Amino acid sequence: EVQLVESGGGLVQPGGSLGLSCAASGFTFSNYWMSWIRQTPERGLEWVANIKRDGSEKYYVDSVKGRFTISRDNAKNSLYLQMNSLRTEDTAVYYCARDDLNGGSGDYWGQGALVTVSS
Amino acid sequence: DIQMTQSPSSLSASVGDRVTITCRASQGISNYLAWFQQKPGKAPKSLIYGASSLQSGVPSRFSGSGSGTDFTLTISNLQPEDFATYYCQQYNSYPLTFGGGTKVEIK
Repeated sequence: EVQLVESGGGLVQPGGSLGLSCAASGFTFSNYWMSWIRQTPERGLEWVANIKRDGSEKYYVDSVKGRFTISRDNAKNSLYLQMNSLRTEDTAVYYCARDDLNGGSGDYWGQGALVTVSS
Repeated sequence: DIQMTQSPSSLSASVGDRVTITCRASQGISNYLAWFQQKPGKAPKSLIYGASSLQSGVPSRFSGSGSGTDFTLTISNLQPEDFATYYCQQYNSYPLTFGGGTKVEIK
């Protein structure tokens, strides 16, 4: 059974940093691109970033470029998102998602991790 | 960025009804479109990829169609477990973008 379990969410002040982790199991992690996707009631679902199977390619939405870094450790079956210079508008539930081999992000999703940026 | 516009934003329907949700892309995306279902407090679940291909395990009452800029998700014979919010997503080009969602409520 495919499982994705996020951890690391919490409350952080504007300008601060936070790291998210996603532990994957039930599939060959190194065979899949992986994504981070976030959701707020106001803005809905927003794809944040994804990373190629071997980590050699990474793509980001413009609003997080230069502030967020996606990475992975295939030996640990883990995906990461390092978030720096956080803004109040980064407040969201962050989902780890497996990219579909047929295309697109999200054939499987984690349960989500809440990140709250507030003073 | 490619904008994805869903309509309607919400609808009311009864069990057994046929429901159609539309998604329009601001530019052509071929068939690089996915549909997701989300229930309250849960992560989205993938239903359809490639505009019309069902994910494994998805009931056949769900179907998708379209190409280019206009797409539809149809739920025939609506079941109680289908009341949820549905999202489209384009994966033709970065950044990947989602529609605003369509909430299917019980009439």
